[in-house]
Formats: sequence, structure tokens, C-alpha cells
Amino acid sequence: DVVLTQTPSTLSATIGQSVSISCRSSQGLLDSDGDTYLNWFLQRPGQSPQLLIYSVSNLESGVPNRFSGSGSETDFTLKISGVEAEDLGLYYCMQTTHAPLTFGGGTKLELK
Amino acid sequence: QVQLQQSGAELAKPGSSVKISCKASGYTFTSYDISWIKQTTGQGLEYIGYINTGSGGTYYNEKFKGKATLTVDKSSSTAFMQLSSLTPEDTAVYYCARGYGYTYWGQGVMVTVSS
Repeated sequence: DVVLTQTPSTLSATIGQSVSISCRSSQGLLDSDGDTYLNWFLQRPGQSPQLLIYSVSNLESGVPNRFSGSGSETDFTLKISGVEAEDLGLYYCMQTTHAPLTFGGGTKLELK
Repeated sequence: QVQLQQSGAELAKPGSSVKISCKASGYTFTSYDISWIKQTTGQGLEYIGYINTGSGGTYYNEKFKGKATLTVDKSSSTAFMQLSSLTPEDTAVYYCARGYGYTYWGQGVMVTVSS
């Protein structure tokens, strides 16, 4: 199975600060169809995961544009440009290029 | 609006089975697969598998073969997951999610396995 390693495991930020989360894959995630199926989710406390970014860099409808995704092959990054209070929670990357679908271990974003 | 409404929390004894449901609304049920995901504090998020809601065809993560059985009732737009031979390691929150986009998730079902 593809292993996704997220760093850091915990991220402390102040409101307005810009932060980045890394997701590294044990295998390249470029699919034979030319797309790279790496998504990012936010799970707020007590809620289900919410899709933020799909296919590396595409912003899901309704998601604020302070969220952005980048990367290729095995190295991916989620950036939040100006953290807001509602952004606190657990962030997960997920790949669907290789079966079975796998998730990163999560990054907890908390207030400093 | 699209909604996935899951059944309530379950408390089960080791060795028993539970069947949880995921009722879809707000879209054509048979147009999207339903996936199931397990979440624990220790193991994080794990993919169980999916069911094709039109054909009933299934895919299981190797780890969950023999543990989870996915079914669907098209007449009620409901997907089901049965977990068998329960052990404390099956204690988790179980989510259903729609299709490959994973935009829509159920609210999750807490399954607790304890004697």
C-alpha cells in the first residue's frame, strides 16, 4: 500500500499566520491518465472530513482561496495563507491513484 | 441538497456483528458509488472499500476482507456495512462517503466493541 507521511504532526499558529503542511508519498502518484490524485481534507472537532483540495491543486467549491495545494509525484504541500480560527482542526492528505486508497497520518493545526 | 444520513451509535459484544446504514438523499442514488472509511485515534483514517450502488459490485481493501460486507438497497437509497466477528480493534467511527470525489460524507457512526 502507498504510505503517505505528513509533517509536522502538530502545527501551532497565530491568527493571520501562513502555514504549510507536507505530504510525502512512498510511490509516485501520477496516474496513467495524466492526473495526480492527491486530495486534502480538514476535519474540525466533532465533524466529518471536509474536502479542501483535489488533484493536488484544485480548490473545492466553496473553500476559501487562502487554501492552496501544490506538488508533484511524491511531494505535496498544503498552504494556508493567513490562518483563521475556523481553520483549526486535523488536516489529512489522501491518495486515490493506487488501490487501496490511503490517507496520511494527519496534522493537527492549533492556536499558539 | 446532498445528504448522507448514517444510523446511530452501536455498542456490541466481542464476537458479534453489527450492521450500519447510510441513507442518501438529494441526488440519484445509483449514479455514485458509496465508500466506507474507518477512523480510530491510533490508526487514523483507513479505507474499507466501496459498493457500486447500481450493480451492487464491491471492492474491499484487503485488510477488511472477511470483516466488512457492503450491500445496498436501491429502493430506499441506502447503503449498508456489516461488520462481523467484532473485536475491540473494531471500535471506531465509521463513515460513508459519496463517489470518488469524497465531497459528501455521512456524520459517522461510533461502534464500540466491549464485553
